[in-house]
Amino acid sequence: EDKVVQSPLSLVVHEGDTVTLNCSYEVTNFRSLLWYKQEKKAPTFLFMLTSSGIEKKSGRLSSILDKKELFSILNITATQTGDSAIYLCAAAPGGSEKLVFGKGTKLTVNP
Amino acid sequence: GAVVSQHPSWVICKSGTSVKIECRSLDFQATTMFWYRQFPKQSLMLMATSNEGSKATYEQGVEKDKFLINHASLTLSTLTVTSAHPEDSSFYICSAAWDRNYEQYFGPGTRLTVT
Repeated sequence: EDKVVQSPLSLVVHEGDTVTLNCSYEVTNFRSLLWYKQEKKAPTFLFMLTSSGIEKKSGRLSSILDKKELFSILNITATQTGDSAIYLCAAAPGGSEKLVFGKGTKLTVNP
Repeated sequence: GAVVSQHPSWVICKSGTSVKIECRSLDFQATTMFWYRQFPKQSLMLMATSNEGSKATYEQGVEKDKFLINHASLTLSTLTVTSAHPEDSSFYICSAAWDRNYEQYFGPGTRLTVT
């Protein structure tokens, strides 16, 4: 059965801290891994990763994929209170348009 | 780009009535649209996948006669919750993708409360 596991489930940090969120996956014929940020409404797209070892970066956020070890990390540097959200990781199995979501990591950044 | 809208954003209905939720891709043609539901503090659960002009594919355990999905055009999909019950109260989110691209773009969601 395809599955995605995120850790930690919950994380509380202070502004300015750097955090690393983890995502491991087991999906059939893996195609890509996606990261989303979910605040009060629906998720917003952050990154899509298909190649191993190539870091994707957007401002203070970056992510990398390791297809050998079947995991990805999402790094957030110099965290701000606006980074508080649930971060969802999803994997796309091959031959399917579906995404398999993890349960998410709830990040709380305190001032 | 890649904006997806949903309407309504919030709806309250009485038990036994039906509710229709619309999902529109505003600036692209979505070959595939997905419907998810999310219970409080839980992750997204895929309900069904719909391709324009064809019948939706429902996930195991999702009643297709209760959750009617219509994908009449490349920019519009609708989810109708028929004979709604309080246990159907949830956050319903649609997403859209094009060209078998796995970047799904999500709508803002619809909060359904059944009294």
